[in-house]
Amino acid sequence: EPEVTQTPSHQVTQMGQEVILRCVPISNHLYFYWYRQILGQKVEFLVSFYNNEISEKSEIFDDQFSVERPDGSNFTLKIRSTKLEDSAMYFCATAVQADTQYFGPGTRLTVL
Amino acid sequence: GENVEQHPSTLSVQEGDSAVIKCTYSDSASNYFPWYKQELGKRPQLIIDIRSNVGEKKDQRIAVTLNKTAKHFSLHITETQPEDSAVYFCAASITGGYNKLIFGAGTRLAVHP
Repeated sequence: EPEVTQTPSHQVTQMGQEVILRCVPISNHLYFYWYRQILGQKVEFLVSFYNNEISEKSEIFDDQFSVERPDGSNFTLKIRSTKLEDSAMYFCATAVQADTQYFGPGTRLTVL
Repeated sequence: GENVEQHPSTLSVQEGDSAVIKCTYSDSASNYFPWYKQELGKRPQLIIDIRSNVGEKKDQRIAVTLNKTAKHFSLHITETQPEDSAVYFCAASITGGYNKLIFGAGTRLAVHP
């Protein structure tokens, strides 16, 4: 069964550095999402992406965050200048329609 | 915006017992309610979902019920097994838009042999 994949599985970075998290959606999926989960807390919506543009974003998704689908397959989340509070597990999720979402394995981001 | 409350935060049962986890939502426009199971360090995995045109859905030992009037939905696991031990998250969304999922805080279920 096809699965969403994410790289890297763990990223350690210094505060102020840029990071790019990558997601490979299931091939026929058209809707893409990023969520984050701070350790021990609930999963929080960051952004949704459809038809090569952001369709909705949360308050968390400020100017330091951006998303794109640079090559028609990878879906990326960029954090321009990381802060300590950006440390979390970041999950990509994808869907065929705006309906059932399938999650990737996550990238654990640690900001030092 | 939508808010999802989930109870209890922890649940401990003996193997073979039933477990019930309850969620309430605030936005009456929400019409899609998935449940995800998350084992330690792993991705949330969809285990069952229900749409607002259905009151109950069952898949083997797992069932979900929805009360639209009261705006609450519940996950029922019967004949629990140790491998059911995990964190369970409910979520709510509005399909037809872009369907962001709003999650509850999670329930840590421990099934003791």
